Amino acid sequence: AQSVTQPDIHITVSEGASLELRCNYSYGATPYLFWYVQSPGQGLQLLLKYFSGDTLVQGIKGFEAEFKRSQSSFNLRKPSVHWSDAAEYFCAVGRKAAGNKLTFGGGTRVLVKP
Amino acid sequence: GAVVSQHPSRVICKSGTSVKIECRSLDFQATTMFWYRQFPKQSLMLMATSNEGSKATYEQGVEKDKFLINHASLTLSTLTVTSAHPEDSSFYICSARDRRTGNTGELFFGEGSRLTVL
Repeated sequence: AQSVTQPDIHITVSEGASLELRCNYSYGATPYLFWYVQSPGQGLQLLLKYFSGDTLVQGIKGFEAEFKRSQSSFNLRKPSVHWSDAAEYFCAVGRKAAGNKLTFGGGTRVLVKP
Repeated sequence: GAVVSQHPSRVICKSGTSVKIECRSLDFQATTMFWYRQFPKQSLMLMATSNEGSKATYEQGVEKDKFLINHASLTLSTLTVTSAHPEDSSFYICSARDRRTGNTGELFFGEGSRLTVL
């Protein structure tokens, strides 16, 4: 069965500093990979996705993620964090054979210090 | 972009009553919708897969008689929590897959519905 691990439950960063959120997955083949952001009491917004091709993926709001097959990782990065980036971030894995059902990681809550 | 709307966004009900939550795809047709449950400060747990015109497929451990799912049209799926109890209080989120994109795997999420059972 596929699984997704986000090792960091909480991360606190200063506004303007860089941010990296870790995501590791367990799956036999190349999965579909996603990063979503959730503000309190809200649904999920897709930041970016990887299906195939270029392993460095650009998303919305200045985020990017890099797929590293050798490390089974799909870490999310942003060079300079804004206060509005404070939210919960979820990494998710999907695979065509499972009807594209997504398996979510536990989430990482990002706090931004002024 | 594709929009998925959930209604109601918040609902409070008495124990023993039933609550219906709607999930609509506003600008696309969704042959498949997914229902998730999210406990406070936790991740999303898939409850069931809803396919238009057929019975929902429930994940292991999810009571199908407790959580009734109906997907009667290509734009609407409903989740009914029957005989709700306080332990059913949670944040319920639906997502939908555009039938045109098929197996690309991208899902569009609703805003979520917070259920509080007194």
